[in-house]
Amino acid sequence: AQSVTQLDSQVPVFEEAPVELRCNYSSSVSVYLFWYVQYPNQGLQLLLKYLSGSTLVKGINGFEAEFNKSQTSFHLRKPSVHISDTAEYFCAVSSGYSTLTFGKGTMLLVSP
Amino acid sequence: GAVVSQHPSRVICKSGTSVKIECRSLDFQATTMFWYRQFPKQSLMLMATSNEGSKATYEQGVEKDKFLINHASLTLSTLTVTSAHPEDSSFYICSARGGQGATYTFGSGTRLTVV
Repeated sequence: AQSVTQLDSQVPVFEEAPVELRCNYSSSVSVYLFWYVQYPNQGLQLLLKYLSGSTLVKGINGFEAEFNKSQTSFHLRKPSVHISDTAEYFCAVSSGYSTLTFGKGTMLLVSP
Repeated sequence: GAVVSQHPSRVICKSGTSVKIECRSLDFQATTMFWYRQFPKQSLMLMATSNEGSKATYEQGVEKDKFLINHASLTLSTLTVTSAHPEDSSFYICSARGGQGATYTFGSGTRLTVV
């Protein structure tokens, strides 16, 4: 079985400040890891994914994440956030061709 | 990149009627489609998984006779909410897996309101 824990339900931050959204996972097998963003009343958009190779993954909109196998973490970071980054962020895990398992989500609130 | 088109984006229906939601993969063949339900301020709950040409596999607690899933082709899957009731009001999202690199592509979601 696999699971995802997003430690923060809400992260408030000022515009142009750095941000880190935390994600920890558990799985008995090798995993693929994903971060998705959801804007109100919309579907999920893939920010980035880790399948294999380099543990530092760069995604869209200036986001990046680092896969840390020893700490079973896949934290999402952005060095300088914009108002438009305000959204819900979901971390997800799958193993091979299994279904995606999602965390509960973290609401990123960027204020001026 | 891969695109999944989901329609309608929002629908209001009367209690007791049925509603069909469509998801189409536009530029790739979706070997597997997933249907999720999302309650306000909550994560996505997997309802069912369907492979093209075979019966869907429903998650525990999801009524297969109420939520009918059809995946008749590699580019189209439909979810029909039968005899809808107000408690079925929710945000429904489809996801397609196909193409390269274990990619999951999501539709834009359907806001269903049953009155």
